Amino acid sequence: KAGVTQTPRYLIKTRGQQVTLSCSPISGHRSVSWYQQTPGQGLQFLFEYFSETQRNKGNFPGRFSGRQFSNSRSEMNVSTLELGDSALYLCASSLQTGMTEAFFGQGTRLTVV
Amino acid sequence: EDKVVQSPLSLVVHEGDTVTLNCSYEVTNFRSLLWYKQEKKAPTFLFMLTSSGIEKKSGRLSSILDKKELFSILNITATQTGDSAIYLCAVERNTNAGKSTFGDGTTLTVKP
Repeated sequence: KAGVTQTPRYLIKTRGQQVTLSCSPISGHRSVSWYQQTPGQGLQFLFEYFSETQRNKGNFPGRFSGRQFSNSRSEMNVSTLELGDSALYLCASSLQTGMTEAFFGQGTRLTVV
Repeated sequence: EDKVVQSPLSLVVHEGDTVTLNCSYEVTNFRSLLWYKQEKKAPTFLFMLTSSGIEKKSGRLSSILDKKELFSILNITATQTGDSAIYLCAVERNTNAGKSTFGDGTTLTVKP
């Protein structure tokens, strides 16, 4: 069965722009979680969506937002990009809310210049 | 604020060595502790631990949780170069399940 698919794989944006990243979960999975991974901060939780509802949110500014569609695909958006937003953005999907049997995608590498 | 601390931050060993990776945590209303292996980008799931003292095994890897002392260890015996990766530990709460907290990871390098 197909794994978690994230698009695009790589992205370069300039400061002040906005970006939208996409995550298609494993078929049948209803929970999608997003993480930001940077060398200095490790892997940090952004938010989790389950059945189109945001269930949990991490400690990120309002410039970071997300949504989930009826087919469980999720998008995250970052507005007014800053240099510090350069990171690997990972999403994980699971059947139920939480990390039990969660599978990660390959990530989107965002570089802000 | 939930906290997960992994040690050591990095480790270099030779093939055949046995390694022990540590993960200590502070979390309100603990639900589970998870271990992941990250080789390039996508972390892959290794173990989920919920009960104290019960060892989970998968081949040369094993892990155990101590809920009294709030830590877990991940053991890898007879290491191979393919074990080189970042090993991540994460904890989940019962409340706000899904809002997991990850440690900074241990970077393991296995030399031939």
